[in-house]
Amino acid sequence: DVVMTQSPLSLPVTLGQPASISCKSSQSLVHSDGNTYLNWFQQRPGQSPRRLIYKVSNRDSGVPDRFSGSGSGTDFTLKISRVEAEDVGLYYCMQNTHWPPKTFGQGTKVEIK
Amino acid sequence: EVQLVESGGGLVQPGGSLRLSCAASGFTVSSNYMSWVRQAPGKGLEWVSVIYSGGSTYYTDSVKGRFSISRDNSKNTLYLQMNSLRVEDTAMYYCAREDTNWGQGTLVTVSS
Repeated sequence: DVVMTQSPLSLPVTLGQPASISCKSSQSLVHSDGNTYLNWFQQRPGQSPRRLIYKVSNRDSGVPDRFSGSGSGTDFTLKISRVEAEDVGLYYCMQNTHWPPKTFGQGTKVEIK
Repeated sequence: EVQLVESGGGLVQPGGSLRLSCAASGFTVSSNYMSWVRQAPGKGLEWVSVIYSGGSTYYTDSVKGRFSISRDNSKNTLYLQMNSLRVEDTAMYYCAREDTNWGQGTLVTVSS
C-alpha cells in the first residue's frame, strides 16, 4: 500500500498569513494514464470531509482561490495564501492512483495562533 | 442537489453485526463508484470499501471477510453489512460519491 506522510501535523497560523502543508508518498503517484491522482480534503470541526483539490492542483467547485495545490511524483503541497478563521480544521492528502486501497495522510491540524 | 444520508449506526457488542445505509438523492448510485470511509474517534480518515458502477467491490485488508458493500438500485441506497465487529471498528462511518460528495456520517461503537 502507498504510505502518505504529511508535515507538519500541527500548524498554528496567524490570520491573514500564508500556510503550507507537505504531503509525501512512498511511491510515485503518476498513473499509467499520465494523470496524478492526489487529492486534498478539509475537515472543519464537527463536519464531514470536503474535497478541496483533485489531481494535484484542480480546485473543486466553490473552493476559494486562496487554496492551491502543487507538486509532482512523490512530493505535494497545499498552500493557503491568506488564512481565514473558517480555514481552521484538519487537512488530509489522499492518493487514488494505486488503489485499492486509497490511502490518506495522517492529517494536519490548522489552528489560529 | 446531491445528498447522502447515512443511518444504521449504534452500539453493538464485539462479535455482533450492523448494517449501515446511505440514502442518496440528486444522482444515481449505480452510475458512480461509491465508497465507505471511517474515522475512529480523534483519529484520521481510513478508506474501507468501494463498489464500482459495474458492481466490482474491494475492501481494506482489516475488514475483508467481515464487511460487505452493496447497493439497492431501486432504492438508490448504498449499504455496508458489518459482521464479526471488533472494538477497533469503532468509528464514524461516512459514505462518499467518488470522493466528491460525503454524507454526515453514522457512528458505530463496538463495546461490551
